[in-house]
Amino acid sequence: AQKITQTQPGMFVQEKEAVTLDCTYDTSDPSYGLFWYKQPSSGEMIFLIYQGSYDQQNATEGRYSLNFQKARKSANLVISASQLGDSAMYFCAMRGQNTNAGKSTFGDGTTLTVKP
Amino acid sequence: NAGVTQTPKFQVLKTGQSMTLQCAQDMNHNSMYWYRQDPGMGLRLIYYSASEGTTDKGEVPNGYNVSRLNKREFSLRLESAAPSQTSVYFCASSEVGRQVGANVLTFGAGSRLTVL
Repeated sequence: AQKITQTQPGMFVQEKEAVTLDCTYDTSDPSYGLFWYKQPSSGEMIFLIYQGSYDQQNATEGRYSLNFQKARKSANLVISASQLGDSAMYFCAMRGQNTNAGKSTFGDGTTLTVKP
Repeated sequence: NAGVTQTPKFQVLKTGQSMTLQCAQDMNHNSMYWYRQDPGMGLRLIYYSASEGTTDKGEVPNGYNVSRLNKREFSLRLESAAPSQTSVYFCASSEVGRQVGANVLTFGAGSRLTVL
């Protein structure tokens, strides 16, 4: 089984500041991938960033970076220089490579509001 | 490039009615998925198809059936709709593998279903 926990139902950040969205996970697979998706108020799901469990370096994609701490089973999303357009719901997800291959599991999400 | 197309976008049913949600992808992905999203919750996997000709149950399969018609199309059927199936349904597709970027889900725009 695999499980994703996002403990922050809602977060606020001032425009241009950085914000960290928390994600912890649990899995029985030795090899897995971790993902973050963004869901704006329009409803579509947008892929942001991916981290493989054996990747040596933390993933970065533009203003997004993933703070991966394997021993603590955490995969926090860091958004630098927040913009008003970053206001959305953010989901952490994982997918195992073996037992849970084919099954992406999502957390309950964090609603981020960027204040001008 | 259309990506993942799902229809209909909105549907209202009465309890006991049946309907089929259609999904098609043009990215030549092997794997396709159906998720549901309830208010305040993340996405939960209903069914998935790792490849053409195979389907497997996800986390919440009861009350649903699926058909992987060909590599492009994956439909979700509600045989006898219940109010508990009121939700937003997302179809998604992905490649499968160990390379970086594999397993990233590409989502359709979602189908909002209300069962009265």
